[in-house]
Amino acid sequence: GIQVEQSPPDLILQEGANSTLRCNFSDSVNNLQWFHQNPWGQLINLFYIPSGTKQNGRLSATTVATERYSLLYISSSQTTDSGVYFCAVTGGTSYGKLTFGQGTILTVHP
Amino acid sequence: SAVISQKPSRDICQRGTSLTIQCQVDSQVTMMFWYRQQPGQSLTLIATANQGSEATYESGFVIDKFPISRPNLTFSTLTVSNMSPEDSSIYLCSFRGWGDTEAFFGQGTRLTVV
Repeated sequence: GIQVEQSPPDLILQEGANSTLRCNFSDSVNNLQWFHQNPWGQLINLFYIPSGTKQNGRLSATTVATERYSLLYISSSQTTDSGVYFCAVTGGTSYGKLTFGQGTILTVHP
Repeated sequence: SAVISQKPSRDICQRGTSLTIQCQVDSQVTMMFWYRQQPGQSLTLIATANQGSEATYESGFVIDKFPISRPNLTFSTLTVSNMSPEDSSIYLCSFRGWGDTEAFFGQGTRLTVV
């Protein structure tokens, strides 16, 4: 099946700093999503981005499908950005089923 | 987008017992899924809940341990049977609308087995 790798596994920032999270995938994808998991375990949809670039406030994402990677940018980070960021994809024969990366644990200090 | 409600949000259960988790969507959806997230790990798909028929389980998951029902297009349940401490995880339901489009998740059920 399709493999998803995220980097870095851990990231520690001071409030106000910028960061880039990366997601590599092993095969062509139909769907790619970025999620933020809050401390209560809830998954928050950030972006649905199988290709192209999208922006939502301080967050933006770019997926280059031909090169099999996606980037999530967080600018002017805040303590509330802390949590785990997951990249997840569907592709090949796994119609509709998301395969998740291992996540990036982000900690933002005041 | 549709709103998804999952309950209970958390529970502490005795080993050997079973817990049923419910997931309700406020509009008809085509695909519903159940995922497990073990402590410190990523999410793993348990099964696809099929409306009116048996669920389709992923490798490593079996119906006797994780029976799933989906009686209609808006509701599904997952039962964790004969629980052991290794079943302590967050369980999440998910749905998609028509086509392989954006997926949404319920709030999750944090299960602790003692």
